[in-house]
Amino acid sequence: ILNVEQSPQSLHVQEGDSTNFTCSFPSSNFYALHWYRWETAKSPEALFVMTLNGDEKKKGRISATLNTKEGYSYLYIKGSQPEDSATYLCAFYSYGGSQGNLIFGKGTKLSVKP
Amino acid sequence: ETGVTQTPRHLVMGMTNKKSLKCEQHLGHNAMYWYKQSAKKPLELMFVYNFKEQTENNSVPSRFSPECPNSSHLFLHLHTLQPEDSALYLCASSQGGGLVTYEQYFGPGTRLTVT
Repeated sequence: ILNVEQSPQSLHVQEGDSTNFTCSFPSSNFYALHWYRWETAKSPEALFVMTLNGDEKKKGRISATLNTKEGYSYLYIKGSQPEDSATYLCAFYSYGGSQGNLIFGKGTKLSVKP
Repeated sequence: ETGVTQTPRHLVMGMTNKKSLKCEQHLGHNAMYWYKQSAKKPLELMFVYNFKEQTENNSVPSRFSPECPNSSHLFLHLHTLQPEDSALYLCASSQGGGLVTYEQYFGPGTRLTVT
């Protein structure tokens, strides 16, 4: 059974703090990793799709790195703002997996206090 | 506007009822998905359709029956559900025929309660 672990489960920071959280996945047969942001009462929104070891992607104040050899990805938020409050999900796909079958983690819930 | 709409947003049904969830995507994508999120569990894939053909049924009980009449519409027909089927049901779509190197676009979900 493939598992995706995200840590921490929840995180409370002050506005202006920078923060990061982790997504761990099986390193064998890696194919792709997705990050999504899910705000309360809204739809999950894609942040990044990453496929290459060492990949770094950035969107505004949010960036992500990928280490496929050791099986982890970090998501960084620089200078957190209240509007960054959301649950951040990662999802993993391995070679040999069923078509389209992303395996999701439970997410990291971020709360940013003004 | 998310590009993926779902109706209804909330549904309460008895165990003997039959109901349907509807999803529509306005993005020109060719793959559509149904996910289930139960309390304190991760998103779990139920079904995948590529170019209107079902390509994945993730061991879902037969009381859930999907239908994809065209690339823009996806239905989930529900009958004789159990209380443990109460969950948030999310629809998503993507381009690339379901290739996982493409991001998925999600609808807002249907909150289902089975009484």
